[in-house]
Amino acid sequence: KNQVEQSPQSLIILEGKNCTLQCNYTVSPFSNLRWYKQDTGRGPVSLTIMTFSENTKSNGRYTATLDADTKQSSLHITASQLSDSASYICVVNRPYSSASKIIFGSGTRLSIRP
Amino acid sequence: KAGVTQTPRYLIKTRGQQVTLSCSPISGHRSVSWYQQTPGQGLQFLFEYFSETQRNKGNFPGRFSGRQFSNSRSEMNVSTLELGDSALYLCASSPQGREGNEQFFGPGTRLTVL
Repeated sequence: KNQVEQSPQSLIILEGKNCTLQCNYTVSPFSNLRWYKQDTGRGPVSLTIMTFSENTKSNGRYTATLDADTKQSSLHITASQLSDSASYICVVNRPYSSASKIIFGSGTRLSIRP
Repeated sequence: KAGVTQTPRYLIKTRGQQVTLSCSPISGHRSVSWYQQTPGQGLQFLFEYFSETQRNKGNFPGRFSGRQFSNSRSEMNVSTLELGDSALYLCASSPQGREGNEQFFGPGTRLTVL
């Protein structure tokens, strides 16, 4: 079954600290993997996208890694800020011709405390 | 460019009624996708439209339908509403809808079914 599992479900850290969010997937075939940030009451915004041949991708203080062999991805946030409080969603795309091609994780709810 | 807009932002209906949600994509984007987001299930893909044609469909009952107009604006309709249809409905647009293209999400329509 095609699934995307994220951990932890929720996380609270102090402002300025680093954190790492995990994403494990069993989706096959695989096209690409995205991390999205979703602020409360808003739609998700894409942070990074990686194909199976890419190991890491950065976007400012956000760094995503991908291990296609173990089917694991992580999102590392450096020097967290209060504005990082949001849900982070891991999304795996199957090849275009597949029906229901997009598989979403249930997200990690991150709260940054001052 | 203006972002993706969705109307209405909030909607309250009762069981058995029907509802129509509207989405205006970013100018020039031809692909519009719809998603249902609930706390328990996360984001689930409903369908994608491209050039007025449904190109992909998720695993939802026939009560959920949509269409796209020649100006790329899209509507989603849900008939015979059930309590479980209460959710945030997100629309996303992209230039071509291919898996490599970034999707830009709207703010969503919060539907509550009483």
